[in-house]
Amino acid sequence: QVQLQQWGAGLLKPSETLSLTCAVYGDSFAGYYWSWIRQPPGKGLEWIGESNYSGTTNYSPSLNSRVTISVDTSKNQFSLKLSSLTAADTAVYYCARGLASYGRRAGLDFWGQGTPVTVSS
Amino acid sequence: QAGLTQLPSVSKGLRQTATLTCSGNNFNIDNQGVSWLQQRQGHPPKLLSYRNDNRPSGISERFSASRSGNTASLTITGLQPEDEADYYCATWDNSLRGWVFGGGTKLTVV
Repeated sequence: QVQLQQWGAGLLKPSETLSLTCAVYGDSFAGYYWSWIRQPPGKGLEWIGESNYSGTTNYSPSLNSRVTISVDTSKNQFSLKLSSLTAADTAVYYCARGLASYGRRAGLDFWGQGTPVTVSS
Repeated sequence: QAGLTQLPSVSKGLRQTATLTCSGNNFNIDNQGVSWLQQRQGHPPKLLSYRNDNRPSGISERFSASRSGNTASLTITGLQPEDEADYYCATWDNSLRGWVFGGGTKLTVV
């Protein structure tokens, strides 16, 4: 059974950098897309960005200037860094595995447990 | 971020059928297909269907999804109390090169 386990600091100050890591257990790291998604309190889901096995990334246009997603294939892990934090970045952050089928994205099938992140002075 | 359109809330009775809808455009749903996620309070989202109408292993047959053009639907039959949750549609948008989500539909089972 595939499991995604994530961790990172949950309380940060404005202007600091968020750093989260997600470890993948139970399946190959290759052949999938590895995403970060966030959910502000009481709101819907917002996609942050993704990386594939070889480190090719796509980022949300609204966050592109502040986001870095990287992979460590030796550890089956991928990480998120989000810089210049403000209170608007307060959210639960999830990692997720993206399926690809016939050259198209098919769905986000396994999710981490979520990390609550609060940005406050 | 451009998204998909869902009704904010739906309320149905126990054992009834609920149909949730999701509208997109030619760059996302029509081109890439759609998936559906269920999120119970305090839990991460769970994939219910992918590539328009495929059910992952372990998902109840009470959940069925379909797509016609730029509109997708999720039908839940025989509603149970545990079906009360937020439901999100999601698709890859080729013009944005990213995933987009609907705003979510809160399903209440009365």
